[in-house]
Amino acid sequence: QVQLVQSGAEVRKPGASVKVSCKTSGYRFSSSEINWVRQAAGQGLEWMGWMNPVSGASGSAQKFQVRVTMTRDMSISTAYLELSNLRSDDSAIYYCARGDGFDSWGQGTLVTVSS
Amino acid sequence: DTQMTQSPPAMSASVGDRVTITCRADQGIGNYLVWFQQKPGNVPKRLIYGASNLESGVPSRFSGSGSGTEFTLTITSLEPEDSATYYCLQHSSFPSFGQGTRLHI
Repeated sequence: QVQLVQSGAEVRKPGASVKVSCKTSGYRFSSSEINWVRQAAGQGLEWMGWMNPVSGASGSAQKFQVRVTMTRDMSISTAYLELSNLRSDDSAIYYCARGDGFDSWGQGTLVTVSS
Repeated sequence: DTQMTQSPPAMSASVGDRVTITCRADQGIGNYLVWFQQKPGNVPKRLIYGASNLESGVPSRFSGSGSGTEFTLTITSLEPEDSATYYCLQHSSFPSFGQGTRLHI
């Protein structure tokens, strides 16, 4: 079965960076893009960006374009999201989701930004 | 970017009721519309894709309709476990979510 397993919770200070991983299994990693979504506590879902695992091409929402980097390691079917210059309002649960239909999701990674 | 306006933001209903949640896009998105259900502490669960296709295993009391700019999620014969927040997502262009509808049973 399709599975997306994310890395564990992270705590960072303002101005630092964080890198979240999303290890996939149960399907051909190259066949579906990976999307990244975040959700602050008590808030709605916010799309951050997507990545094509084959080409490495990516696109992100305008508000994240300067600070977000999406990469992958095809050898281990894993996608990564790196967010730099963290602020307190970046504290959220970060999710990866498969495909343009978002049919399968990782369990989420809590990122806490606090001084 | 395509903006999605979801309504109502919150609603209360009773077991057995029929409820409708609406999402409007500010430009045409064809049928590139997905509906999710999210319960507190849980990952979003896809209910409907392609605007009207029911995800496998999702009860048939859930249905989706619409195309272009206006879409609805209908839940007939509400059950207590339907209490959740519902989100629409368009993926015609860069994806965007609606603001969510909190449904209390």
